[in-house]
Amino acid sequence: SAVISQKPSRDICQRGTSLTIQCQVDSQVTMMFWYRQQPGQSLTLIATANQGSEATYESGFVIDKFPISRPNLTFSTLTVSNMSPEDSSIYLCSARLAGTYEQYFGPGTRLTVT
Amino acid sequence: QKEVEQDPGPLSVPEGAIVSLNCTYSNSAFQYFMWYRQYSRKGPELLMYTYSSGNKEDGRFTAQVDKSSKYISLFIRDSQPSDSATYLCAFGGSQGNLIFGKGTKLSVKP
Repeated sequence: SAVISQKPSRDICQRGTSLTIQCQVDSQVTMMFWYRQQPGQSLTLIATANQGSEATYESGFVIDKFPISRPNLTFSTLTVSNMSPEDSSIYLCSARLAGTYEQYFGPGTRLTVT
Repeated sequence: QKEVEQDPGPLSVPEGAIVSLNCTYSNSAFQYFMWYRQYSRKGPELLMYTYSSGNKEDGRFTAQVDKSSKYISLFIRDSQPSDSATYLCAFGGSQGNLIFGKGTKLSVKP
């Protein structure tokens, strides 16, 4: 299995500011993903983080709003830019274990925008 | 027709009951099938995964896949209050990302 850590675990931010969330995996992984989860809802994929190239974004999510970096195989960041209250959500990092289809999740970052 | 359908519940059972959680799907390209358990305020935890039709057992949990009917199930035997959580089915294919059900909220009453 893989253990995924995220920082920060929660934050309260003001409208118009940006927050960068860090994700670290303790195992060899291939793909890394960022999801958003509204309270009581299922998971929505934001993007696939690609090492050494631009992330692949899902419909409705754009790079200017959610820039993503993946400088190496086991680390990625997601920035939520120019935040509004609608960005209040839980942001989850996920990664696929190398050589398998097993996908693991971090504990999430609970973001509140005031 | 939605790609994945999962009854959101909530489902409430007494301790010791057998729980059956189900998902249907429409995409024949799905190659692997997963169940996640998510406790409140935690990230999803990979519970079981399988790549083929049939049953896979792990302790009190059994995952069942019927590709011909496009139907997967998770059975929990001798359910415990600690099993109270939201259970999400997930499906994967060649594209790499998972498609999730909406989740079923389970409550096991002592």
